[in-house]
Amino acid sequence: DADVTQTPRNRITKTGKRIMLECSQTKGHDRMYWYRQDPGLGLRLIYYSFDVKDINKGEISDGYSVSRQAQAKFSLSLESAIPNQTALYFCATGDRYSNEQFFGPGTRLTVL
Amino acid sequence: QKEVEQNSGPLSVPEGAIASLNCTYSDRGSQSFFWYRQYSGKSPELIMFIYSNGDKEDGRFTAQLNKASQYVSLLIRDSQPSDSATYLCAVNKPPVDSSYKLIFGSGTRLLVRP
Repeated sequence: DADVTQTPRNRITKTGKRIMLECSQTKGHDRMYWYRQDPGLGLRLIYYSFDVKDINKGEISDGYSVSRQAQAKFSLSLESAIPNQTALYFCATGDRYSNEQFFGPGTRLTVL
Repeated sequence: QKEVEQNSGPLSVPEGAIASLNCTYSDRGSQSFFWYRQYSGKSPELIMFIYSNGDKEDGRFTAQLNKASQYVSLLIRDSQPSDSATYLCAVNKPPVDSSYKLIFGSGTRLLVRP
């Protein structure tokens, strides 16, 4: 089984809809991250969390919210989706001792 | 100036050649450097990390770090068509209490010609 899983893998939605992307991990890592990837722009950090009670904004958090339901689960919500949120979204987990990060398979989101 | 810069490529090399991928970073306080490989439509996969100046070898891969010049490179020896992918450089964001944040470059696309 994959260490970091994301659901759904693909999602098409309409402008104004609320959607949630989910991430689960079995690596036992405390740190979890949400990134988006756009062509030519690399990976940009949306939110990150060190534990259930610790949530922090990344560089592009506007229009997004997150919830850390448990150490192993970290979800990303788009309250009112807009077309420029069309992107590839990755969840990652982090090892506190090495700063390495491990990525889930990604969710391709299209907002029409 | 971008915090982490990479040439977008594509870098095209023949099979069996050495591929050299370069990355520069802007913050002298950065201490951890990572190379990720990403196949089209897939997630980034960690292939190398380096913390100290000099070279670090792992199989066909060698990471090189020069903190004085603020660059990190990845050499791939005996390149194979299966190495064709985008290579992302990532650098931790100082200060120490923010070192868990990684700043990613936009990646260099490598094409290995059979």
